Amino acid sequence: NAGVTQTPKFQVLKTGQSMTLQCAQDMNHEYMSWYRQDPGMGLRLIHYSVGAGITDQGEVPNGYNVSRSTTEDFPLRLLSAAPSQTSVYFCASSFRTRGGTGELFFGEGSRLTVL
Amino acid sequence: ELKVEQNPLFLSMQEGKNYTIYCNYSTTSDRLYWYRQDPGKSLESLFVLLSNGAVKQEGRLMASLDTKARLSTLHITAAVHDLSATYFCAVLSSGTYKYIFGTGTRLKVLA
Repeated sequence: NAGVTQTPKFQVLKTGQSMTLQCAQDMNHEYMSWYRQDPGMGLRLIHYSVGAGITDQGEVPNGYNVSRSTTEDFPLRLLSAAPSQTSVYFCASSFRTRGGTGELFFGEGSRLTVL
Repeated sequence: ELKVEQNPLFLSMQEGKNYTIYCNYSTTSDRLYWYRQDPGKSLESLFVLLSNGAVKQEGRLMASLDTKARLSTLHITAAVHDLSATYFCAVLSSGTYKYIFGTGTRLKVLA
């Protein structure tokens, strides 16, 4: 079982560069989301999606774009990286149907450093 | 706006002792989740609490939810070193699909 797969696991960027963090899940989950984790700040929601073609902003969306063209994939794009975006990024997914618990399943994380 | 607060932020305890981690949240929700994170690792689901008065137990950990008080507790009984980790609570904001996490409690169990 692959579950939630994130790539790359590590990335170093220079200020102003762009990149995409990939997230794929094979559990047929409608809900997918991106978080960033910074020391002392827990996990903060960046963007989320409740299904293909539907995305919305979380707590800290600035500087990030997302799209959801398929149920399985939810990429996170940094258009012009800044040092403040140095963080560990987690993708998480769950069922969103009323009968489901809404339990989030997490990927292994992507550690991004912006110089 | 939903806010989730955990306390304590850091907890150092002796093996065999009991302790409780608290998770308070600011607006209505009836879904609360507890996760564990080991250093450098991802988050692992511990408990899902879906209604007022819900209580779940797994080994030395027991979680409960009081939606009227907007409070969840994670109780540790007779701590062992293997429980050393960071514990997060997360609340699903009612009427939205936003999961808001607490800042985490870093637990260190001393042998």
